[in-house]
Formats: sequence, structure tokens, C-alpha cells
Amino acid sequence: QKEVEQDPGPLSVPEGAIVSLNCTYSNSAFQYFMWYRQYSRKGPELLMYTYSSGNKEDGRFTAQVDKSSKYISLFIRDSQPSDSATYLCAMRIQGAQKLVFGQGTRLTINP
Amino acid sequence: ETGVTQTPRHLVMGMTNKKSLKCEQHLGHNAMYWYKQSAKKPLELMFVYSLEERVENNSVPSRFSPECPNSSHLFLHLHTLQPEDSALYLCASSQPGGRRHEQYFGPGTRLTVT
Repeated sequence: QKEVEQDPGPLSVPEGAIVSLNCTYSNSAFQYFMWYRQYSRKGPELLMYTYSSGNKEDGRFTAQVDKSSKYISLFIRDSQPSDSATYLCAMRIQGAQKLVFGQGTRLTINP
Repeated sequence: ETGVTQTPRHLVMGMTNKKSLKCEQHLGHNAMYWYKQSAKKPLELMFVYSLEERVENNSVPSRFSPECPNSSHLFLHLHTLQPEDSALYLCASSQPGGRRHEQYFGPGTRLTVT
């Protein structure tokens, strides 16, 4: 079993739709949860991070962590064509250097 | 230059060649990382340097040899690679300590081994 599972997609939705991206994980020691966005021919960029459980909102983006279910989500409201990218979840144990990444979900927002 | 830069952006090499990838960060960070990104696989951490000292080596074959001469520069020396080593190689940097999850990535070097 992979430590972090993420559906690779591809996921295609119309502009303006609400997008839900998800990851599940098996290691209950993970404490930091991140979402990175990677545009074609670019490196990943940090979008949001959450420490432990709960929700975090930043503009059109909301990150949720449910540690009891070992499940994290990223919601994108009012999706735009510029949101088309691959979204990578990542996790870290407190005190560790290593980030463990999901496979990434390729998202396309159609105008 | 700002952020994290990587050169070359594209590299084609034969299995008997020796080449090096270069990474430079302009963010004042103290930790640097090499990752391998292959199609349909998660990002794989290869090496971590913190304050110029290697702190993690994720069972990477010896044909990959990292070097960190100072906190701003990171190299990955390549020799006698295999076709399965073809991938996007990403460099990242971060502050040490509690902000290690805030990693800033370069654009990557697309490596093809023939």
C-alpha cells in the first residue's frame, strides 16, 4: 500500500464549477499537509498547507484535513481556466525533512 | 535572478556519458533537495542537504552523486545512467526547522538517457 494515494485523473470540469481534489494516507504520524500546484513545464509551487486537522481558506481555495479518516481535500470555487494544472498533495511528519507526495491529479478547466 | 534556477533545462545523454545538473537558489534558504519526477509516479525525494551537510539519502543508486559546495548551490553528478533514469529532476530549497514543508521548486531538468 502506498503511503499517500491520489487519483491521477485526468479531471475535466467546466469553468465556474466547484472542484474537489482528494488524497488518502496510511501513516497516522503525518502532521503537516500541503497542496502544491504544478503547471506544465514548471516546478511545483506551494498552494496551501495545514497543520493537523481542520480547514483553511485562501481566496477561492479551501483545504480540509480529516485525520480520523486519514483524508485530505482541496476545494476550488469558481474554477478558472488558469487553474488548469496538476495538483499534488504532500505530507510530512513533524521533525522530519522528507515530504511524501501523492501522484498528482491533472485538472483541466474548460472555458 | 530570483527563486530557484536549474540548468540545463533539457539534457540528452548516452549511458556512458558523465554530466552534471546545477541548481541555484536566491532565497537565502539553508536546505536544498533533489527530487525525481517520473510519469505516473509520485515525486521521489533523492537527497536532502541542510546547512551544506547531507542529511538524507533515499537509497539512490551510486550513479547519482550530489554535491553542495555552499547553501546556495546544489549539483547532481550523473554517470553511467540507465534508460529508466529518464525523468524530470527537480531541485527545491526551504528554510530548516518548522518551515521545511514550504519548499520552493525550480523548473526542473528534463533528462533523457539514450
